[in-house]
Amino acid sequence: DAKTTQPPSMDCAEGRAANLPCNHSTISGNEYVYWYRQIHSQGPQYIIHGLKNNETNEMASLIITEDRKSSTLILPHATLRDTAVYYCIVRVVSSYKLIFGSGTRLLVRP
Amino acid sequence: DSGVTQTPKHLITATGQRVTLRCSPRSGDLSVYWYQQSLDQGLQFLIQYYNGEERAKGNILERFSAQQFPDLHSELNLSSLELGDSALYFCASSVEGTGISTEAFFGQGTRLTVV
Repeated sequence: DAKTTQPPSMDCAEGRAANLPCNHSTISGNEYVYWYRQIHSQGPQYIIHGLKNNETNEMASLIITEDRKSSTLILPHATLRDTAVYYCIVRVVSSYKLIFGSGTRLLVRP
Repeated sequence: DSGVTQTPKHLITATGQRVTLRCSPRSGDLSVYWYQQSLDQGLQFLIQYYNGEERAKGNILERFSAQQFPDLHSELNLSSLELGDSALYFCASSVEGTGISTEAFFGQGTRLTVV
């Protein structure tokens, strides 16, 4: 599975958009980009995933660059409850396993 | 609530002992994954079962073993426990379609403390 690089920490103000970048320059054509988050020591929570098109759901938007070498997770209106560690993962469909990196610790400030 | 149930929530045991962690996947999910999260190692993939068969293996120690039963629940057995095995152990489940990329749902974990 391709390796991902994320900033170790970020912060944003409550109510503003949080844009979390991820670099996956060695991604292959059959690898998806997944985002999960972990609030404190709870089980990781799925956020969104995509292959090459931008995706949006009720939680977030995922923007993948045209060359697929990087992506950005956007939380449009961050709340204090969005404070968590966010993991960007690339995964081959047939691999069936998620390899977590170090993630980005997002702090949402009041 | 993810629908994945892990028991027990907390476990304290002595070095050299053996423990069993249990996971009940979401209804209808055929795949079960086990992860270990310690302070210095992050989330480490251990093993995956699909419909009773081992599908993928990660950094699982020989002292650890797992199985998935016909009712699809899974157990992770940890033996000859060492202090370094103290960690959060997460179970996740998903529906694995034929080549369809799907999401995994995680339980709340079992916190194992080895003293």
